[in-house]
Amino acid sequence: SAVISQKPSRDICQRGTSLTIQCQVDSQVTMMFWYRQQPGQSLTLIATANQGSEATYESGFVIDKFPISRPNLTFSTLTVSNMSPEDSSIYLCSVEFGINQPQHFGDGTRLSIL
Amino acid sequence: AQRVTQPEKLLSVFKGAPVELKCNYSYSGSPELFWYVQYSRQRLQLLLRHISRESIKGFTADLNKGETSFHLKKPFAQEEDSAMYYCALSPGGYQKVTFGTGTKLQVIP
Repeated sequence: SAVISQKPSRDICQRGTSLTIQCQVDSQVTMMFWYRQQPGQSLTLIATANQGSEATYESGFVIDKFPISRPNLTFSTLTVSNMSPEDSSIYLCSVEFGINQPQHFGDGTRLSIL
Repeated sequence: AQRVTQPEKLLSVFKGAPVELKCNYSYSGSPELFWYVQYSRQRLQLLLRHISRESIKGFTADLNKGETSFHLKKPFAQEEDSAMYYCALSPGGYQKVTFGTGTKLQVIP
């Protein structure tokens, strides 16, 4: 099965700074997704990262706060900008290897903001 | 709007006892349903999907369209089944997947 690498695996950041999370897949995928999982809660979709076009954001998430890049079919980044303690969460990358296929997840990035 | 409900946050069963993790969904069309599992310190991984109609690690799940349910079952729980389980719904295509809030299964030795 394909390998999905996400880094960093965890970080502790200062309030007001930004962090970029990387997601690398070892095969080409059409769709990549970014989720947030706040403590004790389920996964919430932040945005869908499309190659060659702007990401599609879900309600409550905006590009200025969570800019996303998708430069090719194997890589995407999510930046959490101007962080506050409320952004402390696990951020997950997932991919779909084809239409009507289930999503597969990276290990996640555990982010803590002081 | 699509919705997935997992009514139990925590389910504790003794080893060897049957397990049923409940999942109900709300969707007007014909969705795809999945169960994902997250073992301690591991990534979220697909356990099974309803169209496969297969048994994985002894778990099965049947889609009941009349009751809009997709409960996960196993006849005899094992300690290694202890994990967080998420039910998920996809409308199909490349559309948004909705996850339930998850149920923590604790198998007591």
